[in-house]
Amino acid sequence: DTGVSQDPRHKITKRGQNVTFRCDPISEHNRLYWYRQTLGQGPEFLTYFQNEAQLEKSRLLSDRFSAERPKGSFSTLEIQRTEQGDSAMYLCASSLDPVAGGYTFGSGTRLTVV
Amino acid sequence: GESVGLHLPTLSVQEGDNSIINCAYSNSASDYFIWYKQESGKGPQFIIDIRSNMDKRQGQRVTVLLNKTVKHLSLQIAATQPGDSAVYFCAENNADDMRFGAGTRLTVKP
Repeated sequence: DTGVSQDPRHKITKRGQNVTFRCDPISEHNRLYWYRQTLGQGPEFLTYFQNEAQLEKSRLLSDRFSAERPKGSFSTLEIQRTEQGDSAMYLCASSLDPVAGGYTFGSGTRLTVV
Repeated sequence: GESVGLHLPTLSVQEGDNSIINCAYSNSASDYFIWYKQESGKGPQFIIDIRSNMDKRQGQRVTVLLNKTVKHLSLQIAATQPGDSAVYFCAENNADDMRFGAGTRLTVKP
């Protein structure tokens, strides 16, 4: 296992377009998390999954954002009608349940909305 | 609401010196804390963790101290090296998610 993988690494999109990011967690981890990070700030929690069930969503996750983990393995995060304020690094992490050894993060997808 | 925060945004140390990075937390019910290191263009990397039933935990060149009385967490890095230059975050783990502070940028001068 090579850790948590995210694709793409970088995405530039025009305002109003939809984008989708993919995360492949560590295979034996049943928890998967999405965070957003802007420059100079710590990661902000967006949502998390326990297997295929989405158990918590932050207030930051507006109705333009949707996340899925259909088979309890990989996950996708879609942003519809992107806005310039959506520009950020989107980080995915996975962990065991209960959490031990923290979360393992991917390298993130950097989104730039122009 | 309750949050995790850091005392200083930047820290500059001489190579070979010890570094201490501090963090304050406000949720007295938190029982698990983690320190992460984040290098430019990468995701946060786990350094060390500590549970609330401990006061101190040591790793390789790193030590985490937890003072529950004043809700304070610190990360000590011994013999700081240029490769330690990064942003360091403390994180407070609740049952369902982890909350991060803004981070401290550590710069190691040769």
